[in-house]
Amino acid sequence: QQQVKQSPQSLIVQKGGISIINCAYENTAFDYFPWYQQFPGKGPALLIAIRPDVSEKKEGRFTISFNKSAKQFSLHIMDSQPGDSATYFCAARIKGFQKLVFGTGTRLLVSP
Amino acid sequence: GAGVSQSPRYKVAKRGQDVALRCDPISGHVSLFWYQQALGQGPEFLTYFQNEAQLDKSGLPSDRFFAERPEGSVSTLKIQRTQQEDSAVYLCASSLGLANEQFFGPGTRLTVL
Repeated sequence: QQQVKQSPQSLIVQKGGISIINCAYENTAFDYFPWYQQFPGKGPALLIAIRPDVSEKKEGRFTISFNKSAKQFSLHIMDSQPGDSATYFCAARIKGFQKLVFGTGTRLLVSP
Repeated sequence: GAGVSQSPRYKVAKRGQDVALRCDPISGHVSLFWYQQALGQGPEFLTYFQNEAQLDKSGLPSDRFFAERPEGSVSTLKIQRTQQEDSAVYLCASSLGLANEQFFGPGTRLTVL
């Protein structure tokens, strides 16, 4: 019940295209949903985050879409660039708790 | 320093050895977290400190794992009698406080032979 399911496992997108990564959850006690970007040999870095009272949040080329009724949220990367090639993790946090529950990750490759 | 630092960056241990992994959080950050990241997987929560108090250790996989933060700053994760299944990257994160963004360090890659 505390899992966050992420898909796809890997993704190849052409430069300039849109990358879409999806996550789903069961636990309705989750109240914070961040997305992290991780490069090889580095720790995860926060990209963008959303709370369930908002259906969409945009920061630059990155957008989170949130569907509370379906218990799903997704990351859209517009105008994908080779520098975006990394592993992306969705995560969720239970209200009142501090730990993050992570998805299994999506390895994104943006071809030049 | 500007970010969370961890040492050593790489550690190779023989099965049965004890290891100690260090985390230096961002100065002033009250909260400190340890996560374990197996190869090709997402990070999994191990334990959480607020200042020197360990408030949640529900993710520690066995009693061979022990974490401390005695002065509310630097933290050490100790693994006793290491096993091959302990091989993973151990990530430390810190945050200003409750409900704030967690900043991750680069991790320590532990390989148990």
